[in-house]
Amino acid sequence: NAGVTQTPKFRVLKTGQSMTLLCAQDMNHEYMYWYRQDPGMGLRLIHYSVGEGTTAKGEVPDGYNVSRLKKQNFLLGLESAAPSQTSVYFCASSSTSQETQYFGPGTRLLVL
Amino acid sequence: QQQVKQSPQSLIVQKGGISIINCAYENTAFDYFPWYQQFPGKGPALLIAIRPDVSEKKEGRFTISFNKSAKQFSLHIMDSQPGDSATYFCAASSGSNYKLTFGKGTLLTVNP
Repeated sequence: NAGVTQTPKFRVLKTGQSMTLLCAQDMNHEYMYWYRQDPGMGLRLIHYSVGEGTTAKGEVPDGYNVSRLKKQNFLLGLESAAPSQTSVYFCASSSTSQETQYFGPGTRLLVL
Repeated sequence: QQQVKQSPQSLIVQKGGISIINCAYENTAFDYFPWYQQFPGKGPALLIAIRPDVSEKKEGRFTISFNKSAKQFSLHIMDSQPGDSATYFCAASSGSNYKLTFGKGTLLTVNP
């Protein structure tokens, strides 16, 4: 099992560009999450999904959109990137809301 | 509103010493308290978790102490080793909520 994988590992964007981060899990988990990690801020939840076809806003959703068309995939989109979105993005999945969340290796995004 | 407060931000311990990281929460509905460990360049991984029906849980050198009346829980690392050097996050969630709320993290350095 690969667990949780994220694509790409690193990306540089110019302000105003768009991109999609892909998260895939092979554990048949219902719940999937997108977090951003910034120095001194810990992990902040952007959006999450409790099942295929469902999405919900987390703590810091502005500027991001998500889709969960397939159970194993959770996509995070930036329509118009801003320097404030420079961060490390982590995807995670879990079987239920109070079981272990398994994290991917992260995507480092730099917005110039 | 920061619902989980973690301290200290950083901690330096000598090899063989005890590392103690503390967290306090505000939401009395929280009923699941995990600790995650993150090494540089990696995603967080579950270390140990506790539910409020017990006051302590031990797994090897790692112990969670839980004080429900004080709304506090802490991680103790006995016989700390250089390999324990990492960032540690406490978190909390309630059964009615799908989200984990993370503390801001503690950078632990164990000197040889």
